[in-house]
Amino acid sequence: DGGITQSPKYLFRKEGQNVTLSCEQNLNHDAMYWYRQDPGQGLRLIYYSQIVNDFQKGDIAEGYSVSREKKESFPLTVTSAQKNPTAFYLCASSIFQGNYGYTFGSGTRLTVV
Amino acid sequence: AQRVTQPEKLLSVFKGAPVELKCNYSYSGSPELFWYVQYSRQRLQLLLRHISRESIKGFTADLNKGETSFHLKKPFAQEEDSAMYYCALSGTGANSKLTFGKGITLSVRP
Repeated sequence: DGGITQSPKYLFRKEGQNVTLSCEQNLNHDAMYWYRQDPGQGLRLIYYSQIVNDFQKGDIAEGYSVSREKKESFPLTVTSAQKNPTAFYLCASSIFQGNYGYTFGSGTRLTVV
Repeated sequence: AQRVTQPEKLLSVFKGAPVELKCNYSYSGSPELFWYVQYSRQRLQLLLRHISRESIKGFTADLNKGETSFHLKKPFAQEEDSAMYYCALSGTGANSKLTFGKGITLSVRP
């Protein structure tokens, strides 16, 4: 069953801790993306990667980091430098060329406690 | 810079009424426009792309380059259309990442 999997579904973090959100896809998609979804804000791009071992900052990259060591995986680390990390995080993937749209994961809800 | 504007946050209509969800964009080149939908407790999913010129679930959207708009329309709303709708824009090549609007909640009442 092809798709994109995010884990965990819910994540709680203490202030000052780093946490890593997992995103795995078996669609053989070249590009992967991380978005943050907040009520009334829509989706804002955090980081994206169009090829293995390369990634670019999006509009709100401060306080986040990523890696792309494998085509299938694009983990997002929310660092302690992120001032307001409580949000819903969405991962997506796409074919690099052709603009066929994105396939989204089911999301991870991160709460700082 | 690419920008997408959805001027309304909420649209509430009765079943059978026409629906128009507005979307305006700003992009210097030739954009690709999309509508995404998120039903309650489901993943965000692609509804339609302007390049396909297709009708999905009775929805259509026409790209108007003169008005830089990509409004989503349906002549007769159904209760199952109730969802969050996002308009999105993609450039080409290195700018092919999607930029989303803030979204609009469509509520269809019986």
